Amino acid sequence: DGGITQSPKYLFRKEGQNVTLSCEQNLNHDAMYWYRQDPGQGLRLIYYSQIVNDFQKGDIAEGYSVSREKKESFPLTVTSAQKNPTAFYLCASSPGNWNQPQHFGDGTRLSIL
Amino acid sequence: GDSVTQMEGPVTLSEEAFLTINCTYTATGYPSLFWYVQYPGEGLQLLLKATKADDKGSNKGFEATYRKETTSFHLEKGSVQVSDSAVYFCALEASGGSNYKLTFGKGTLLTVNP
Repeated sequence: DGGITQSPKYLFRKEGQNVTLSCEQNLNHDAMYWYRQDPGQGLRLIYYSQIVNDFQKGDIAEGYSVSREKKESFPLTVTSAQKNPTAFYLCASSPGNWNQPQHFGDGTRLSIL
Repeated sequence: GDSVTQMEGPVTLSEEAFLTINCTYTATGYPSLFWYVQYPGEGLQLLLKATKADDKGSNKGFEATYRKETTSFHLEKGSVQVSDSAVYFCALEASGGSNYKLTFGKGTLLTVNP
């Protein structure tokens, strides 16, 4: 079945460490997105990419970095510069055309030890 | 900028009750509107969408009508079930431009009791 796979489901990080969250899709979608979800705040866009080797900052990009070397993959690195990284992270993809819905993975919950 | 406002939850209903979750938006032009549902510990799933004024999206007994005159997209279901317990998000995609970003509301937690 086509879909989006995020791994791991749970991730723990020590203070001062960088950590990378994986996102892979086999939907042949051009566009991919990373969101952060905090209780009572909905989803906030971190980064998005409309095509391979190109990406743009979203609303809360500080302390995060991404790469898009392959169409299927859009990993997110949470750096030590992100002061409050504990959250639920969601990856999504879409065909990259207007009014085509985004498809979401099951998320990664990141916690600080 | 674009924004989405949803009624604050949590909403608690008994099985077979009528559900309304209000959603209003602010956007220029003619955005596309979506409702997503999130079950515990999972990602978001598209529930329904509408792409132009007066369109009605529907799925699994849920309905929402795109009302441009009131800038609203309220979610309704005539008879909820326990399995409908989840968080519901209203979202819009602005027309024009080329980035196809979604703007989400903060979500409404629905709990349905047997």
